[in-house]
Amino acid sequence: AQKVTQAQTEISVVEKEDVTLDCVYETRDTTYYLFWYKQPPSGELVFLIRRNSFDEQNEISGRYSWNFQKSTSSFNFTITASQVVDSAVYFCALSEAIGTGAGSYQLTFGKGTKLSVIP
Amino acid sequence: NAGVTQTPKFRILKIGQSMTLQCTQDMNHNYMYWYRQDPGMGLKLIYYSVGAGITDKGEVPNGYNVSRSTTEDFPLRLELAAPSQTSVYFCASRPGQGFNEQFFGPGTRLTVL
Repeated sequence: AQKVTQAQTEISVVEKEDVTLDCVYETRDTTYYLFWYKQPPSGELVFLIRRNSFDEQNEISGRYSWNFQKSTSSFNFTITASQVVDSAVYFCALSEAIGTGAGSYQLTFGKGTKLSVIP
Repeated sequence: NAGVTQTPKFRILKIGQSMTLQCTQDMNHNYMYWYRQDPGMGLKLIYYSVGAGITDKGEVPNGYNVSRSTTEDFPLRLELAAPSQTSVYFCASRPGQGFNEQFFGPGTRLTVL
């Protein structure tokens, strides 16, 4: 069965520090996608990134960067120079094939990491 | 586009009552999903639909029912509410092609007393 583990339940950092959120996954699918979502205190889920299993290039978007390592089944997320607005719960998720249609999948979520950035 | 909308935002039910959580999307997405989020946990899939008239169970379907009569709407029905159904419910949708991201609604916070 699919599994996503986010071992860090809560992290607190002081503003401007860098922070890395860990994500380890298990899957038997040969083609899969990994996602990160942000859930701010207001409660909505905000999509951050999607990465497919064939692309191990690191991704950088502003202060955010992602490191995908298939050999260790990890997809870690780093925030550089953290800001108070980064305070949120961050979820890592893994696609799991359902049905037979191409691109037919559900998401398996980790339990999330609550990040608190202290001013 | 309004995206994915959910009503109500909050609801308190008594044990044994029934209710329907509404979900509508205006993006003409084929796939729609219902998840529940319990405190300190990730989201778990309740039901999903790959198109109008087609639904299937997810990981935690017991106590719920769904229907998909149109592309836009995907209501979730609770027939006999139980305290274990106290949770935040999220509806999501995505286009049918590829492994694109799911777009989530704002959620419905349900308490069963």
